[in-house]
Amino acid sequence: AQKVTQAQTEISVVEKEDVTLDCVYETRDTTYYLFWYKQPPSGELVFLIRRNSFDEQNEISGRYSWNFQKSTSSFNFTITASQVVDSAVYFCALSDPDPYGQNFVFGPGTRLSVLP
Amino acid sequence: ETGVTQTPRHLVMGMTNKKSLKCEQHLGHNAMYWYKQSAKKPLELMFVYSLEERVENNSVPSRFSPECPNSSHLFLHLHTLQPEDSALYLCASSQDWGESYEQYFGPGTRLTVT
Repeated sequence: AQKVTQAQTEISVVEKEDVTLDCVYETRDTTYYLFWYKQPPSGELVFLIRRNSFDEQNEISGRYSWNFQKSTSSFNFTITASQVVDSAVYFCALSDPDPYGQNFVFGPGTRLSVLP
Repeated sequence: ETGVTQTPRHLVMGMTNKKSLKCEQHLGHNAMYWYKQSAKKPLELMFVYSLEERVENNSVPSRFSPECPNSSHLFLHLHTLQPEDSALYLCASSQDWGESYEQYFGPGTRLTVT
C-alpha cells in the first residue's frame, strides 16, 4: 500500500537558517510521482514541485532544493536562508497508478515556523 | 478571476441544515477534487471528477453529495451533518486525471457544524 511519512511534525528555525524537511514514501509501483505543496496560514495549498520516479536529478529553484533518492525512498526538501514568509505547513505527496486511474496520498505535513 | 475559487470561505451550519459549497476553476482543467482537512489528520480525498464524471468516491458518508455540472464547476451538497464534519474543505483541479498531474487548490471553505 502506498504511504507518505513526514516524521517532523513541527520545526522552528531562526531566519536565515537552512532547514530540511524530510519525506519518506512507500509504493509498489515503479512509475510514480512525488510532489511538495506549501500551505500558508491562508489555507490554500500551493504546488511547489513534481518529480517522476525515473528522474533522480536534484532540483534547485531559488532558495528551494529537492533531493530525491530512490535507494532510501526519500524526497527531502531544503530551504536555504529561510525567511519568515516560509512559515507554513509543507506537505509531501505521492501519486501512482491504480486500476481506476490514480492514487494520490498526502503525508501528514510538517509545520515550519521561521522566527525573525 | 484566476486559479481555483471557493465560496463561501466560512460556513457555520446546524446539524439539520442543508447547504452547498461551490468551487470554480479558471484553468481549463478536466479533473476536479474535493478534500477534507481536519485538525491533526492528513488530507482526505473525498471525490474525484474527470470530464464531469465521478471517478472516485472514497467511502464518504451519504450526507455529502457532490455535483459536477460542467468541467469548471464543482459543488458539495451538505445535509444533516455531524459535529465531526467540521473541517476545512478544499477543492482542487488538475489538467487531467492521472498520476502525473499536479493539483491546484482553492483557498478552502472552513465549515463548522454546531
